[in-house]
Amino acid sequence: DAKTTQPTSMDCAEGRAANLPCNHSTISGNEYVYWYRQIHSQGPQYIIHGLKNNETNEMASLIITEDRKSSTLILPHATLRDTAVYYCIVRVNYKLSFGAGTTVTVRA
Amino acid sequence: SQTIHQWPATLVQPVGSPLSLECTVEGTSNPNLYWYRQAAGRGLQLLFYSVGIGQISSEVPQNLSASRPQDWQFILSSKKLLLSDSGFYLCAWSGAGTGLEETQYFGPGTRLLVL
Repeated sequence: DAKTTQPTSMDCAEGRAANLPCNHSTISGNEYVYWYRQIHSQGPQYIIHGLKNNETNEMASLIITEDRKSSTLILPHATLRDTAVYYCIVRVNYKLSFGAGTTVTVRA
Repeated sequence: SQTIHQWPATLVQPVGSPLSLECTVEGTSNPNLYWYRQAAGRGLQLLFYSVGIGQISSEVPQNLSASRPQDWQFILSSKKLLLSDSGFYLCAWSGAGTGLEETQYFGPGTRLLVL
């Protein structure tokens, strides 16, 4: 499986954009990058995914570098409810494998 | 819209007791269904997945089993729980098919503590 590397934690100010980086230097051409988040004691929530092009939905934007070796999840206007563990995943088959993720704390 | 339910939300069971966790999905037909376990301080582990009624694939050997009696229903069971079965059990669904773009959506989870 292509592994991902994320910062252990990061803080973000409420109302500001939160940029979450992820490195996946061994990604293969047909492997998707997925982002999920997990608020304490809840099931993981799907955020966004992409293959090559940048993607945007109502929750976030996903920026994938041209060589696909890294990506950035952007939460445009972070709120306190965005405090969670964010997981960057390279999807290789039907299994989802979460690493340690990035613990994002949004502060007022 | 699609909705996934899991119950119970929390469960405390003695070692050696049986287990039955239920997952149901509404608003979609012929979904793929998945059981994952998330142990404290560890990542997500796929336990079982199902592409249809009565079709179960096991990912890891263990004392757990899964069944899919209805298209919308996925059950995780054990005859005798072990201490190591404690964890956060997550059910997920995706659209039919095996493409990498089939997004998996998770339920709220069941937190199991075996004492």
